Amino acid sequence: DTGVSQDPRHKITKRGQNVTFRCDPISEHNRLYWYRQTLGQGPEFLTYFQNEAQLEKSRLLSDRFSAERPKGSFSTLEIQRTEQGDSAMYLCASSLDARGPYEQYFGPGTRLTVT
Amino acid sequence: ELKVEQNPLFLSMQEGKNYTIYCNYSTTSDRLYWYRQDPGKSLESLFVLLSNGAVKQEGRLMASLDTKARLSTLHITAAVHDLSATYFCAVDDLSGTYKYIFGTGTRLKVLA
Repeated sequence: DTGVSQDPRHKITKRGQNVTFRCDPISEHNRLYWYRQTLGQGPEFLTYFQNEAQLEKSRLLSDRFSAERPKGSFSTLEIQRTEQGDSAMYLCASSLDARGPYEQYFGPGTRLTVT
Repeated sequence: ELKVEQNPLFLSMQEGKNYTIYCNYSTTSDRLYWYRQDPGKSLESLFVLLSNGAVKQEGRLMASLDTKARLSTLHITAAVHDLSATYFCAVDDLSGTYKYIFGTGTRLKVLA
């Protein structure tokens, strides 16, 4: 296992711009999660995929946010018309049903700064 | 709604001392996770506790789970500076998605 990877690691953007983040889960992991962590807080759940199906979205995920997981492999999280309140660390995690669906492995995160 | 609370939120301790971080959660669950996070970094898994009475130890850290009391503890023995970090507990919500609900975090500073 090479671990969960995320790209980019850091992103600085101006308010109103669109940004897209990518997450590559551990190979063959069928479950994929996105979390958001603001400064001084614990991570908060954003959305969950089982294979390619997006099965749950948090109310934190406004209409400006969209996530996909085509073919059940990598996932993307797009934020449109970014706002300063979107500045946070975006964490991706994956897990595998066959090894216990509950143990999640986290990626290094993408830190977004909106100026 | 599942809630997870940790205390203390901040902890400053001397090297060599012992201390315990508490994690309380609001609904039944028999799975609890502890993570460490260094500033600007992602989450490092410390312990996975999967049943009532589970106890795990790694180095100077020991975690336990009491599902009846809805309480987990992370005990630090003879703290060293390298343990300075923020520690989070998390519970999965048993909904089938197994999404994590994280605690507020405990920021630990070990003073030399």
